[in-house]
Amino acid sequence: EAGVAQSPRYKIIEKRQSVAFWCNPISGHATLYWYQQILGQGPKLLIQFQNNGVVDDSQLPKDRFSAERLKGVDSTLKIQPAKLEDSAVYLCASSPPVYEQYFGPGTRLTVT
Amino acid sequence: RKEVEQDPGPFNVPEGATVAFNCTYSNSASQSFFWYRQDCRKEPKLLMSVYSSGNEDGRFTAQLNRASQYISLLIRDSKLSDSATYLCVVSQGGSNYKLTFGKGTLLTVNP
Repeated sequence: EAGVAQSPRYKIIEKRQSVAFWCNPISGHATLYWYQQILGQGPKLLIQFQNNGVVDDSQLPKDRFSAERLKGVDSTLKIQPAKLEDSAVYLCASSPPVYEQYFGPGTRLTVT
Repeated sequence: RKEVEQDPGPFNVPEGATVAFNCTYSNSASQSFFWYRQDCRKEPKLLMSVYSSGNEDGRFTAQLNRASQYISLLIRDSKLSDSATYLCVVSQGGSNYKLTFGKGTLLTVNP
């Protein structure tokens, strides 16, 4: 079974630039999550989708972050404009409802 | 107070040692509890769920004390391959199944 796919794996941008990350969940998984993991910290949930609807985006900095999952499958997370403190690994995870979450390899973002 | 707090670590132990990780959570409504393992520069992976009665998987034993809001993970006869960061994870359950992660505790098992 193919796992959660993410791209790009690494991204370096300057502050105030924009960046987008892509996630393709495991086939059939209705729930998709985006997490931010800052070095030395545990992952922090940014947004959770159930199919193409948002279930929880309470910790998403909506002034600069946005995410969508238009067809209930792939998802994109965008940061515009980026700040230095956005340097982190952005992890996508998927699960059937109320089951184990499977994480993708993450996108390592460096903002200079 | 943080929602999930873990031993700060890091832990450095010799092969064969027994090591214990402790975790406390603040939300008494939490319903599900897990330990995840994260290797360096890799994604987190579920190690084991934690049940009220305590549960064991080979060399790993997890325990939960709901009254004290405390979770533990014990690793016996540690191996070099156990070197990783161990993340304590709590969920309130319900329809959104949101996971809240602790900071993690880094374990290094030395030969």
